[in-house]
Amino acid sequence: DGGITQSPKYLFRKEGQNVTLSCEQNLNHDAMYWYRQDPGQGLRLIYYSQIVNDFQKGDIAEGYSVSREKKESFPLTVTSAQKNPTAFYLCASSQGQGLTGANVLTFGAGSRLTVL
Amino acid sequence: DAKTTQPPSMDCAEGRAANLPCNHSTISGNEYVYWYRQIHSQGPQYIIHGLKNNETNEMASLIITEDRKSSTLILPHATLRDTAVYYCIVRPRAYNDYKLSFGAGTTVTVRA
Repeated sequence: DGGITQSPKYLFRKEGQNVTLSCEQNLNHDAMYWYRQDPGQGLRLIYYSQIVNDFQKGDIAEGYSVSREKKESFPLTVTSAQKNPTAFYLCASSQGQGLTGANVLTFGAGSRLTVL
Repeated sequence: DAKTTQPPSMDCAEGRAANLPCNHSTISGNEYVYWYRQIHSQGPQYIIHGLKNNETNEMASLIITEDRKSSTLILPHATLRDTAVYYCIVRPRAYNDYKLSFGAGTTVTVRA
């Protein structure tokens, strides 16, 4: 089945450590995204990538880094510069605008990061 | 992107229709209306989208007012599994606009 796989599902880290969250998709989608969700809040865009080897900052990129070396992979690194990294992280992908002008996102199951 | 306004929460009886409103009074002519939902601790799930015509699929119906300033998502026969946070989003049809953020949405609780 096609979809998006995020790993790990749960992750604990100590303050000052970098951590990398994995996101893999087999939907052959061009665009990929990372969102952060805090309890009771909506989703905020961290980074997005429209095509391989290219990515742009979203609304809250500080303290995060990404790479897009392969179409199917878009890992997110939460660096020690991120002051409040405890959150639920969601990866998504989309085919892009297409002929209809619509851009539907498919989401992974999420990774929950807790900083101890 | 146009902003959307949704009620923070609503209850619905199981088996009845759930009507979820969304206000997007600043929407422009090239912006689509999307609806997603998020069941607790899972990734959001796409439900439906539309531009100006009403739309229906196996999950829901989307009614967009003629002036496009508001819309209503209809879950025709709500079940307990429909309990979730529902997000209404509008975004441009621009081919190179991929930024999409989600507000707090409406928390829908379906009661037996």
